[in-house]
Amino acid sequence: DSGVTQTPKHLITATGQRVTLRCSPRSGDLSVYWYQQSLDQGLQFLIQYYNGEERAKGNILERFSAQQFPDLHSELNLSSLELGDSALYFCASSGTGGASSEQYFGPGTRLTVT
Amino acid sequence: KNQVEQSPQSLIILEGKNCTLQCNYTVSPFSNLRWYKQDTGRGPVSLTIMTFSENTKSNGRYTATLDADTKQSSLHITASQLSDSASYICVVKYNNNDMRFGAGTRLTVKP
Repeated sequence: DSGVTQTPKHLITATGQRVTLRCSPRSGDLSVYWYQQSLDQGLQFLIQYYNGEERAKGNILERFSAQQFPDLHSELNLSSLELGDSALYFCASSGTGGASSEQYFGPGTRLTVT
Repeated sequence: KNQVEQSPQSLIILEGKNCTLQCNYTVSPFSNLRWYKQDTGRGPVSLTIMTFSENTKSNGRYTATLDADTKQSSLHITASQLSDSASYICVVKYNNNDMRFGAGTRLTVKP
């Protein structure tokens, strides 16, 4: 158990809908990362937050947005969902978010868009 | 172009055998390289992290090497076990906070 929690575990929704994925980092970690992993695809970095502020942006679509709240939990919002958005979404946390800081991954949220 | 390429794409070995996975990268400027193990449907778990000055680092039966000159890394697994069946992902950090993920090597260990 990494100490990172994600909810929900599974989510099934229809095209065009909007969903929110939630992540609680390990106690004491200030940085949160979001990743997308499609079936048989590698991990794609989406976005990183550090202590409430956006720190780095990867391949995040404009239909997706995220935020980190004062209590350090984070939410990833996915809107106008398409079939291709079906994937595992992982959240990871690290202490400082620096280059060498280890990331601890949560169990993921499996999103299915029908 | 900043790339991370892993080989082989998949590998099947018998329990008890050794194997070596490769990771070649072109990203610059290099910060560090990390190997992750990802069981199916679960989040990746870090095995090793290597910085520019490190050539070899071990974590139990896992040994990672790094040649910063040729921009190559390898992950060697000795005396494989059934529980080693997983995807192994190479991740390179560069520009201090940018990162690139390899597509991973899918390892299957058979009894």
